[in-house]
Amino acid sequence: KQEVTQIPAALSVPEGENLVLNCSFTDSAIYNLQWFRQDPGKGLTSLLLIQSSQREQTSGRLNASLDKSSGRSTLYIAASQPGDSATYLCALPGGKMDSSYKLIFGSGTRLLVRP
Amino acid sequence: GAGVSQSPSNKVTEKGKDVELRCDPISGHTALYWYRQRLGQGLEFLIYFQGNSAPDKSGLPSDRFSAERTGESVSTLTIQRTQQEDSAVYLCASSLVGIWDRDNYEQYFGPGTRLTVT
Repeated sequence: KQEVTQIPAALSVPEGENLVLNCSFTDSAIYNLQWFRQDPGKGLTSLLLIQSSQREQTSGRLNASLDKSSGRSTLYIAASQPGDSATYLCALPGGKMDSSYKLIFGSGTRLLVRP
Repeated sequence: GAGVSQSPSNKVTEKGKDVELRCDPISGHTALYWYRQRLGQGLEFLIYFQGNSAPDKSGLPSDRFSAERTGESVSTLTIQRTQQEDSAVYLCASSLVGIWDRDNYEQYFGPGTRLTVT
């Protein structure tokens, strides 16, 4: 059974800092991994999807890496801004043999970027 | 095109009443998912539809919960005899799934329905 862990649970940084959010998973037989952003009281916004054959994906100031062998993914945010404040979630399918593609979510990292 | 939409955005109901939550997926998306997020907790999978069939209902917490999908489009999640522990944000997602392209599917989420049972 796939389990997803995110650390830290919360992070507070001053504006302009570069930061790294961590996600680990127990079953390395995955199709892909998604990083989402959730603002308070809102739904989820997909940030990046890394396919199992890829090692990283970039979108603007965001860079996500994937190391299947060690069961880890990191989300790197460059030059953080107050508007980046949100909860960041990583999620991946339940497992290679799971045909439903249901996502298993980590508990998230609550990020606060102070002006 | 339009994203995933859900209605209502907020629902307050009395304990014991039935509620229906609606999800309109992205047009052409064959797969549809319901998740639940209770206050201070992570997202829990509820049910998955491929077309109009629900091959995975493993996340439904009790027989008070049911869901259907029609026309490979709209889905309704019904909660009967609501309890206070049903209070949560119910999120719907859809994806264009192909078994030939399992590595590349991506789930797109709606804004959610916030359900409060008093």
